Amino acid sequence: EVQLVESGGGLVQPGGSLRLSCAVSGFTFSGYWMHWVRQAPGKGLVWVSRIKGDGSNIRYADSVKGRFTISRDNAKNTLFLQMNSLRAEDTAVYYCARDGTSGNFDYWGQGTLVTVSS
Amino acid sequence: ETVLTQSPGTLSLSPGERATLSCRASQSVSSSYLAWYQQKPGQAPRLLIYGASSRATGIPDRFSGSGSGTDFTLTISRLEPEDFAVYYCQQYGSSYTFGQGTKLEIK
Repeated sequence: EVQLVESGGGLVQPGGSLRLSCAVSGFTFSGYWMHWVRQAPGKGLVWVSRIKGDGSNIRYADSVKGRFTISRDNAKNTLFLQMNSLRAEDTAVYYCARDGTSGNFDYWGQGTLVTVSS
Repeated sequence: ETVLTQSPGTLSLSPGERATLSCRASQSVSSSYLAWYQQKPGQAPRLLIYGASSRATGIPDRFSGSGSGTDFTLTISRLEPEDFAVYYCQQYGSSYTFGQGTKLEIK
């Protein structure tokens, strides 16, 4: 059974940092592109970042470029999102998602809430 | 950036009725890289349709997708009580963008 479990969310002050993790199981992690998608409270889905199975081909949404860093540890079957210089508008549930075929997201984690507030 | 506009914003129907949800792109979506997701309150999205018309694993055949270019449709042939949720379209032909969502509510 494919499972994705995010962790690391919480309350952080503006300008602060947070590192999200997504532990996966049930599939060959290194063989899949992975993504982070976020959803602000009561709002729609917004793509954040992606990474290829070998850790290459990284891309970011313009809204997080230069502040967020995506990475992965294939030996530990874990995806990461390092978030720096956090802003109030980064407040959202952050989901990790597996890339199904060419960019749709076929499996999602349950999400972890990040709240940026003083 | 390819902007996706979904209509209507809210659709009120009864169980057993047919639902038709629209997704229009600001530019042509290459290779029909268009997906549909269902999201219920407090849950992660679930992939329903990819490649504009292919059903994802385990999705009932009352869900169908159609369209190409800039106009796409998700059809639910006969609504079940569990189908009332928010639906998002997503394009992945040029980066990744989502529509704003259509809320399907019980009439």
